[in-house]
Amino acid sequence: ETGVTQTPRHLVMGMTNKKSLKCEQHLGHNAMYWYKQSAKKPLELMFVYSLEERVENNSVPSRFSPECPNSSHLFLHLHTLQPEDSALYLCASSMGLAGSTDTQYFGPGTRLTVL
Amino acid sequence: QQQVKQSPQSLIVQKGGISIINCAYENTAFDYFPWYQQFPGKGPALLIAIRPDVSEKKEGRFTISFNKSAKQFSLHIMDSQPGDSATYFCAASKTGGFKTIFGAGTRLFVKA
Repeated sequence: ETGVTQTPRHLVMGMTNKKSLKCEQHLGHNAMYWYKQSAKKPLELMFVYSLEERVENNSVPSRFSPECPNSSHLFLHLHTLQPEDSALYLCASSMGLAGSTDTQYFGPGTRLTVL
Repeated sequence: QQQVKQSPQSLIVQKGGISIINCAYENTAFDYFPWYQQFPGKGPALLIAIRPDVSEKKEGRFTISFNKSAKQFSLHIMDSQPGDSATYFCAASKTGGFKTIFGAGTRLFVKA
């Protein structure tokens, strides 16, 4: 499979569960991103990794914990979430080169429901 | 100063008509303005993008108009087709940066 893939596509979890979202990019990119997409709101940037180092962390609650073991894989670890965390979580990647015009390529997202 | 304001929230256009979506930004440091298209069940995908050194860019039926002094830009979809029905996001960023600011999205429905 090419491009940016995300698993699982759908996830239902209770507030006390621990789960992880996985993202993999097959584009040879250096930067990877997590976004939260809620209805009628702009995409909210959560985290950015460039060459496996976190370069952006947008005041995201600690119940969301990212991990980037290499430039092709990105995880979002979830624990003790709240119902308002229910949303579509999108992963994206880009070339991540300094001075470049950085088009982002998005995965299909994981639809998360917190009960 | 980091916001990008997008309107309208939703739009219904007849097949063959022109769809127009508008965006306004505040941060004059932005120098890259992409538009993304998102179909249900898919992630956003880049549609067309512009830099502020040009006032217009056209790719097929899609045109971006850019007004630097007003800090506004818009997407025009000519001869709109039912297959264009999707959510459209404008965005703004600085070259070389990692932070892209997105508008809230416009849900376009093209009636056959």
